[in-house]
Amino acid sequence: QQPVQSPQAVILREGEDAVINCSSSKALYSVHWYRQKHGEAPVFLMILLKGGEQKGHDKISASFNEKKQQSSLYLTASQLSYSGTYFCGTDSGSARQLTFGSGTQLTVLP
Amino acid sequence: GAGVSQSPSNKVTEKGKDVELRCDPISGHTALYWYRQSLGQGLEFLIYFQGNSAPDKSGLPSDRFSAERTGGSVSTLTIQRTQQEDSAVYLCASRPGQGFNEQFFGPGTRLTVL
Repeated sequence: QQPVQSPQAVILREGEDAVINCSSSKALYSVHWYRQKHGEAPVFLMILLKGGEQKGHDKISASFNEKKQQSSLYLTASQLSYSGTYFCGTDSGSARQLTFGSGTQLTVLP
Repeated sequence: GAGVSQSPSNKVTEKGKDVELRCDPISGHTALYWYRQSLGQGLEFLIYFQGNSAPDKSGLPSDRFSAERTGGSVSTLTIQRTQQEDSAVYLCASRPGQGFNEQFFGPGTRLTVL
């Protein structure tokens, strides 16, 4: 089942903060976050694993609540370059394929 | 180094025709995925290849869709008797080994079925 992302869209001013949420109805082993700019391929941001391990870019922070099957991506002091559509992909332990949410469109204005 | 490449970048075809989409993964990456992205939508998993194991075809929407991966490298996604609802961007991704690593996406092939 597809994870649910919220909000569907958000508009920020440069320097403001945002939180994007990803929620699943299934038990999760890992959550993956990607950003896609218009007309471009998705780019990896972060992986969060059950048990607390994280892999990702230093400037990106996220959390993974295993009990609630939820993850949140925190974008602080947003920059114009943060604009794009953010997708979470969830994995229930197969380490094989991800199920992606429908995305959160983030727009950062000057 | 070279990233994931896909060809063609754009494909326009007529309803009922067959199409082949190609993906060249990053050298050495044993895992390869195909996804479909309809306009304004998320990424829909289609098929997954890992090394010499049997592919996971659980995401293929119908038997008109098939894919193969030759020599553990290049992959071809074939859509037979295309329908208008097949119009989408088809993305390929690869990643090294098994386990929890990032997927590297190609630029995609935009398929338009008239």
